[in-house]
Order: sequence, then C-alpha cells, then structure tokens
Amino acid sequence: AQSVTQLGSHVSVSEGALVLLRCNYSSSVPPYLFWYVQYPNQGLQLLLKYTSAATLVKGINGFEAEFKKSETSFHLTKPSAHMSDAAEYFCAVLYGNKLVFGAGTILRVKS
Amino acid sequence: DTGVSQDPRHKITKRGQNVTFRCDPISEHNRLYWYRQTLGQGPEFLTYFQNEAQLEKSRLLSDRFSAERPKGSFSTLEIQRTEQGDSAMYLCASSLIGDADTQYFGPGTRLTVL
Repeated sequence: AQSVTQLGSHVSVSEGALVLLRCNYSSSVPPYLFWYVQYPNQGLQLLLKYTSAATLVKGINGFEAEFKKSETSFHLTKPSAHMSDAAEYFCAVLYGNKLVFGAGTILRVKS
Repeated sequence: DTGVSQDPRHKITKRGQNVTFRCDPISEHNRLYWYRQTLGQGPEFLTYFQNEAQLEKSRLLSDRFSAERPKGSFSTLEIQRTEQGDSAMYLCASSLIGDADTQYFGPGTRLTVL
C-alpha cells in the first residue's frame, strides 16, 4: 500500500530564506505525487504534481519539487519565503483512485 | 470555470441529529470524491463516484454515512445519528478522467457535533 511521511510537523523560516518541506513516499508502482497547500479554515489548493514526466516539477507561487526515485522523496522547495506562504502543506500519493496524504507540515514565516 | 463548491461551510449540530452536506464539482468533471479531515491530520478518503456510480467506499464510512450522486453532477453526504467523533472538516474534490486524476478540492464543510 502507498503511504506518505512528512518529516517535521512544523517548520519555521525567516522571510527571504529557503523553504524546504520534506516528503517521503512508499509505493510499489511508479507514483503520482502531489503537493497541496491549505490556509486556515479553507480547502486544499494544488501546488504541483509529478506524473512521471520531468523529475523537477514547477508549481504555483514559486514552489518546485524534485522527484528522486532512489531516495523515494518528493521534497518541496522555494528559494525565498514570503509571509503569504505561511500555511499547512500536504504531500500526497495517488493510490488507485484516491489520494493518500501525509500528516502535513505547518510552515511559519518570521519577519 | 468555477471551482468546487460546498454547502454549508459550517454546521453545528447536536449529537444524534442527522446532517446533510452538498458538493457541486467543477463542471464536466466526471469523478467526485469525499474526504474527512480531523484536527492536525491530513485528509482521509471516504468514497468516490464516477458519474453516478459509487465505485469505492472506505472502511471509515460506517453505516451511518451515505453518499449519493444521483444525476452524476452534485453529490450529497449524509450522516445519521451524529456522534461527537464525527466532528471534522468534510472535503469534496473532483477530477477529470485522463488528467492523471488530479483532484481539485472545495472549501470544505466544518461539522461540529455538540
């Protein structure tokens, strides 16, 4: 069965610093992987997705993620954090027809 | 193109009451999903429809829960005899077959059972 592990339930960075949110997956088949962002009391917004094309995937709001099969990882990065990036981020893997989510990482951006 | 919409956004009910939530998917999306998210957790899959057919249900979906999508457009999720443990955010998503099942989520319905 597919599963997702997000390392670090809380990450704090200074405004302008690099953002790195970690995601490792387990999958018996080539995975489809996703990152979503959730602002308080809102639904999930798709940031980016990996569907076995390019291993470096660019998403919205300056985020990108790199699929590394050898490390079973799909970490999310952004070169320079902005205050508006403060939110909760979820990594997910497609398992059959359903998404299996990690527990989420809350990103705090300090001014 | 409007996104996925859900109604109501918030629902407060007393234990033992029945509640019903509605989801309107993105037009032409033939798949519709329901997820439940409890505090501090990622969403968990409940069920999904392809057109009007309910094709998969999670073990999380007890017999007090029922979902329908009668005409292959909007869907309803009903919870009978609510319990405090049902308090959660209920999220709906939709997707188009052939788009790598990329699921687009609505704003959710937050249920509080007193």
